[in-house]
Amino acid sequence: QKEVEQNSGPLSVPEGAIASLNCTYSDRGSQSFFWYRQYSGKSPELIMFIYSNGDKEDGRFTAQLNKASQYVSLLIRDSQPSDSATYLCAVSKAGTASKLTFGTGTRLQVTL
Amino acid sequence: SQTIHQWPATLVQPVGSPLSLECTVEGTSNPNLYWYRQAAGRGLQLLFYSVGIGQISSEVPQNLSASRPQDRQFILSSKKLLLSDSGFYLCAWSKGTGPKETQYFGPGTRLLVL
Repeated sequence: QKEVEQNSGPLSVPEGAIASLNCTYSDRGSQSFFWYRQYSGKSPELIMFIYSNGDKEDGRFTAQLNKASQYVSLLIRDSQPSDSATYLCAVSKAGTASKLTFGTGTRLQVTL
Repeated sequence: SQTIHQWPATLVQPVGSPLSLECTVEGTSNPNLYWYRQAAGRGLQLLFYSVGIGQISSEVPQNLSASRPQDRQFILSSKKLLLSDSGFYLCAWSKGTGPKETQYFGPGTRLLVL
């Protein structure tokens, strides 16, 4: 079992729709959960992070965390073509230096 | 604001040649520094991290090494490159500890070993 699992996609959604990206993790000791966006050929850029159960909203993005189910998701409202990218889920454990374990990413395609 | 630089941006090297990739961070002091590698079609793999000058922790045994000669400088090296060393090398920084500690990535170095 992989430590962090994501569906590789591609996930195709029409412009203006809600995109739902999912991630599961295996280590119950995980502390914080991060979503990064990576455009082709570029480095990952942070979208948002969450460490408490429930929802956290930032603009068009909402992260949802359910520690009992070991599940974290990212919702993108009003999806735009510029949102087309690979979305990486990352998980950290408590300790000195936040070592991240990444999933392999979900490719999102927003169609016109 | 903080800025992270990596160079070179791209590199093509023959098998068996040495490697030196550099990462520097501006606008902060005593950051945590990280080296990741992203191979084609695979996720990011943590290679090394450092919490201070001269302090290096290795996550994956391999023919790579890292050094931190200055507070905001992190170097990735190899004495002899292998074909399997090809990939996208990313440096990241973070500050502090705890659940809010967040990593920010540099632009990366794309390495092709032939």
